Formats: sequence, C-alpha cells, structure tokens
Amino acid sequence: EVQLVQSGPEVKEPGEALKISCVASGYSFASHWLGWVRQMPGKGLEWMGFIYPGDSDTRYSPSFQGQVTISADMSISTAYLQWNVLKTSDTAMYYCARLPGGNPRTWFDYWGQGTLVTVSS
Amino acid sequence: DFQMTQSPSSLSASIGDGVTITCRAGQNINTYVNWYQQNPGEAPKLLISAASSLQSGVPSRFSGSGSGRDFTLTISSLQPEDFATYYCQQSFGTHMWTFGQGTKVEIK
Repeated sequence: EVQLVQSGPEVKEPGEALKISCVASGYSFASHWLGWVRQMPGKGLEWMGFIYPGDSDTRYSPSFQGQVTISADMSISTAYLQWNVLKTSDTAMYYCARLPGGNPRTWFDYWGQGTLVTVSS
Repeated sequence: DFQMTQSPSSLSASIGDGVTITCRAGQNINTYVNWYQQNPGEAPKLLISAASSLQSGVPSRFSGSGSGRDFTLTISSLQPEDFATYYCQQSFGTHMWTFGQGTKVEIK
C-alpha cells in the first residue's frame, strides 16, 4: 500500500529556518516524482515543485524558486521541503504528493496528510 | 501561458442535480488536465486524469471531457458526499504545473 506520511505541525517565528518531511512507503521511491503543494488558509492549491529522487532532478514553480528547497534522501525514502528564512506569509498547509512514475507530465495520485506550518511572532 | 481559469468559483445545487465545472487553459495543453476533489480538512483526492480517465473507485457519476484549451468536469447527479471543492490542474508544462482557482460546490 502506497503511503506518504508527513511530519507534524510546526509553529515558528519569522526569520527561523524549517525543514519538513514526507516519508514514502509501499513503492519504489527512486522511480516516482514527488511534489509539494501549498494551501494558504482558506485558499486554493498551489504547485511548488517536485523532485525525482532517482537522479535528484528538481523543478520549481517560478513563484517558489529561491524561496524554498526541495530535496530527497533515497536511503530513507524521505522527501523534504525547507526554508532558510520563514516569513509570516509562509503560514499554510503543505502537502506532499506522488506522481505515478518517471514522467512529470502526469498527476498526483497519492497525497500525504499535510503539514500545517504557522509562522507568527 | 499555463494559467488555468476555472469557473464558477462556487455554485449551489440540490441533491440529484447535475453540475458542470469548466477550466480554460491559457494555451493548447492537449489533454494534460486532471481533476481533484477536496473535502474540508482533508488532502485532495484525484478524480480524473488525462482529461477523461476516471480513477479506480471514483463513482461513474463523475466524468471529464475536453482537449486543447477547454475542459469540463461533470457530476451527473449530486450526492451528499459530493459537496466539496474541486480543482483542475494542468501538467503540460513539465517545469510549471498550475491549478485552477477551485470551485466550491454547496448545498442549495
């Protein structure tokens, strides 16, 4: 059974760093693109980017390029989303989601449960 | 331009009604459109891939159609569990996916 289990909620102050995780199981982690989606409170879904763990090919939305870093550790089947300097506007729910294979022109077929990030002073 | 313009932003309908949600792409994206359903407090769920392919386990009252720039999601007879928010999403741009703005389907 495919599962994506995300790390727990975070409360941070502006200027702090953060790294959240998404642990994958039930499939070949290296062979599937894995992406991140932001949902700000009461708002819609925004594609942030995705990574192909097999070769670390990473693609970012222009809206998020330079603002976050997506990475993956194949040894523990885990993908990460990190910020070096959080802003209050980063407050949102963040979802990881898997693509069905090695072609980035597909869809998100499995989703994590979401990680709520709250940034407030 | 990989923008996806989704309409309406919300609609009210009754149990048993048929509803249609549309998405228009900024350019020809062939059939690289997918549809998701999101219930409050839950992660999105894939309903339809590649414009018209119904995912396993999704009721047949859901259907998708379209190609090029114009796409539709149709629910033929609304059921209580269908009141949710729906999003289209394009995957034509391998370096730039985009979601539509969402359509909230509410009970009339």
